[in-house]
Amino acid sequence: SQTIHQWPATLVQPVGSPLSLECTVEGTSNPNLYWYRQAAGRGLQLLFYSVGIGQISSEVPQNLSASRPQDRQFILSSKKLLLSDSGFYLCAWRPRLGRANEQYFGPGTRLTVT
Amino acid sequence: GQQVMQIPQYQHVQEGEDFTTYCNSSTTLSNIQWYKQRPGGHPVFLIQLVKSGEVKKQKRLTFQFGEAKKNSSLHITATQTTDVGTYFCAGPDSNSGYALNFGKGTSLLVTP
Repeated sequence: SQTIHQWPATLVQPVGSPLSLECTVEGTSNPNLYWYRQAAGRGLQLLFYSVGIGQISSEVPQNLSASRPQDRQFILSSKKLLLSDSGFYLCAWRPRLGRANEQYFGPGTRLTVT
Repeated sequence: GQQVMQIPQYQHVQEGEDFTTYCNSSTTLSNIQWYKQRPGGHPVFLIQLVKSGEVKKQKRLTFQFGEAKKNSSLHITATQTTDVGTYFCAGPDSNSGYALNFGKGTSLLVTP
């Protein structure tokens, strides 16, 4: 069966510090991968998605970036965090091939920028 | 751009009462999906509807897809405290075949 991992689970970082969040998927190949951010009590904002190694699509302008160095690894980064970057960061995957297009979410990382 | 809207934003019910959340898209959807997020947790896929007028049931949950494939609803019969959470609908993004547009969700609180 497929599983998705995210770490760390929680993170407290000062303004201006760098960020690196990692997401890995097991049990599947060639997944589509997604990064979302959820502000407290709010909906899901799609940040990036990837359909393959090195292929990144950005949905909103921001000081965040994403990379996919391996098929089942998706990384979210920032060089300098802003207070507004605080939130719940969720990674998700879906099969690239086939008709199923539901997404499966990881446990998330709660980021607080102080 | 394409928008997916949900109402109400919040709903507080007594245990045993029914609950309904509504989802409307500004464009016709090829399918619509529903997710549930428990407090402190991550969204979990519940169901996908594809056909016009489709109705699917999962125990006390009934999902409907409108005839025009632009709206959907989730109805919970006789709510239980385990139903607490935020329910999101999502439809395929019209600009990308790979992304979903999520509604802002309906947060359900059930008091015993």
